[in-house]
Amino acid sequence: EVQLLESGGALVQPGGSLRLSCAASGFTFTTYAMAWVRQAPGKGLEWVSGISGGGGSSTYYADSVKGRFTISRDNSRNSLYVQMKSLRAEDTAVYYCAKFACTGGVCHFDYWGQGTLVTVSS
Amino acid sequence: QSALTQPASASGSPGQSITISCTGSSSDVGGYNYVSWYQQHPGKAPKVMIYEVSNRPSGVSYRFSGSKSGNTASLTISGLQAEDEADYYCSSYTSTSTLVVFGGGTKLTVL
Repeated sequence: EVQLLESGGALVQPGGSLRLSCAASGFTFTTYAMAWVRQAPGKGLEWVSGISGGGGSSTYYADSVKGRFTISRDNSRNSLYVQMKSLRAEDTAVYYCAKFACTGGVCHFDYWGQGTLVTVSS
Repeated sequence: QSALTQPASASGSPGQSITISCTGSSSDVGGYNYVSWYQQHPGKAPKVMIYEVSNRPSGVSYRFSGSKSGNTASLTISGLQAEDEADYYCSSYTSTSTLVVFGGGTKLTVL
């Protein structure tokens, strides 16, 4: 059974930093691209960042987080991370870890974690 | 402002059919068959309902179907049931550097 378990969410002050983790199980983690998607309170889903499978040589970011967030993976630990810095109030959201399923280069999210809440407030 | 445009709300009675639209551009919806649809119940994680425009994952009801014409994709739910009441989001690959874009979501109410 595929499981994605996020952790690391917290209350942090504006300008602060935080690292989120996602522990994956039930599939061959190294094979799959992974992503972070967030959802502000009462709002819709927003793409945050993605990383390719294998060594994670390719990374992608939403314009709203580019230069502030860094996605990474540790295949030896079956874990996905996002390092967030210079946090703003508008970064307040539930952050979901999601697994990509790709066929012939066409991808969608086939599994999602339950999310971890990040609150940016003084 | 979301990259893909969806109606904020939709509603229908049990047994009816309803279609939710998702409008993008030639850089995303119109240019690629990479559209997927997600259902989200309150307090829950999203669940994929349709991928690659019209494919249904194993375990998803046949009542859910997808299509695309030009820059607009559509999700149709036939034989509406109370359990279909949820938020629905479309998503697409985009040729911009961001890779993925979402629609703003549609809140479906089953009357």
